[in-house]
Amino acid sequence: AQTVTQSQPEMSVQEAETVTLSCTYDTSESNYYLFWYKQPPSRQMILVIRQEAYKQQNATENRFSVNFQKAAKSFSLKISDSQLGDTAMYFCAFMSFSNTGNQFYFGTGTSLTVIP
Amino acid sequence: DTEVTQTPKHLVMGMTNKKSLKCEQHMGHRAMYWYKQKAKKPPELMFVYSYEKLSINESVPSRFSPECPNSSLLNLHLHALQPEDSALYLCASSQGTGRYSGNTIYFGEGSWLTVV
Repeated sequence: AQTVTQSQPEMSVQEAETVTLSCTYDTSESNYYLFWYKQPPSRQMILVIRQEAYKQQNATENRFSVNFQKAAKSFSLKISDSQLGDTAMYFCAFMSFSNTGNQFYFGTGTSLTVIP
Repeated sequence: DTEVTQTPKHLVMGMTNKKSLKCEQHMGHRAMYWYKQKAKKPPELMFVYSYEKLSINESVPSRFSPECPNSSLLNLHLHALQPEDSALYLCASSQGTGRYSGNTIYFGEGSWLTVV
């Protein structure tokens, strides 16, 4: 079974500073995908960044980047130049493949507050 | 802007009512999902439709009845719900299922359901 752990229930960061959100996972699969989703107060789940496990290069999307350590099963999200609009709940997710439906396993989330 | 559209945004219903949540996507995706999310918790998978056929039912009570009229539409019929069923219901879609089918799930904005 796949498990995803986010050990930081709440975090805060000053505007324009950098913050790192932690995520670890457990799986016996060798090929999979990892995601970070953002859920602002509006509650829509927005894809932030995606990492393919067979790619060694860490994914980046503008101010968002990941530190993917496959051997350690760690997948942290770094947000640079934090903005007020980054305030949201962040979920780390693991995707396993199945012909009946790709399944997401979500972590419990980290609530991030950006302080002006 | 989300390409997964859910209606209604908010729904209040009595325990004896029958209502439906609707979801539509125009991305040509062939897999669609219903998730239930309680406050400050990660989404929980309820159902998966793959190519218009129910492929996963995560032991959801029969008072929730999914329907997929075509590849673009997904409904969730509600009947005799309980107050504990009050939650945010998220619809999502992906290109398909399986390892090579497209590996990101896109979420709608959700339907807030309150059962009184």
